[in-house]
Amino acid sequence: DGGITQSPKYLFRKEGQNVTLSCEQNLNHDAMYWYRQDPGQGLRLIYYSQIVNDFQKGDIAEGYSVSREKKESFPLTVTSAQKNPTAFYLCASSFTDLSGELFFGEGSRLTVL
Amino acid sequence: DQQVKQNSPSLSVQEGRISILNCDYTNSMFDYFLWYKKYPAEGPTFLISISSIKDKNEDGRFTVFLNKSAKHLSLHIVPSQPGDSAVYFCASVGSNFGNEKLTFGTGTRLTIIP
Repeated sequence: DGGITQSPKYLFRKEGQNVTLSCEQNLNHDAMYWYRQDPGQGLRLIYYSQIVNDFQKGDIAEGYSVSREKKESFPLTVTSAQKNPTAFYLCASSFTDLSGELFFGEGSRLTVL
Repeated sequence: DQQVKQNSPSLSVQEGRISILNCDYTNSMFDYFLWYKKYPAEGPTFLISISSIKDKNEDGRFTVFLNKSAKHLSLHIVPSQPGDSAVYFCASVGSNFGNEKLTFGTGTRLTIIP
């Protein structure tokens, strides 16, 4: 089945630790995205990548880092510099033409203790 | 400064009746609009879209209406079914931009009452 897979689904982290969220897609999409969802807010873009070995900051990139070494994979690292990391993180992918149709993973809920 | 607003956090509708979800936008550059549906513990899925050259787009039980002068769009679901219970996000973008410029609303939780 084609799709986009995020792991882990739930993650707990102590303050001061970095954590990496995995995102893999087999839809042959060139573009991949990371969003953050907080209660009462819309999805906010953290980082995106339209091609392998290239990525761009979104609206709230501070305290996060990404890599795009393979077309299928776009991991997100939440670093200790992120002031408020507890959130629901969504990875998505799409073709690069403007269709607005993003395919989302099931999300990863990160809780910082 | 929210450029896409969904002012109703929640909505309850009787099964079989019409559900109307509303969305307002402020950015005049937006000319392409979408609705996404999200079930708990799942990612959003694309539902329906509309371009500003149209004022209505229909797909089965789902119809999106666009009022450009009022900067307002709405999603109508007729008839509403229990499986429609979900959070609905509207999203907007300017067609001169890429998908990364999609701006999402805060979502409306729709509950269909059997």
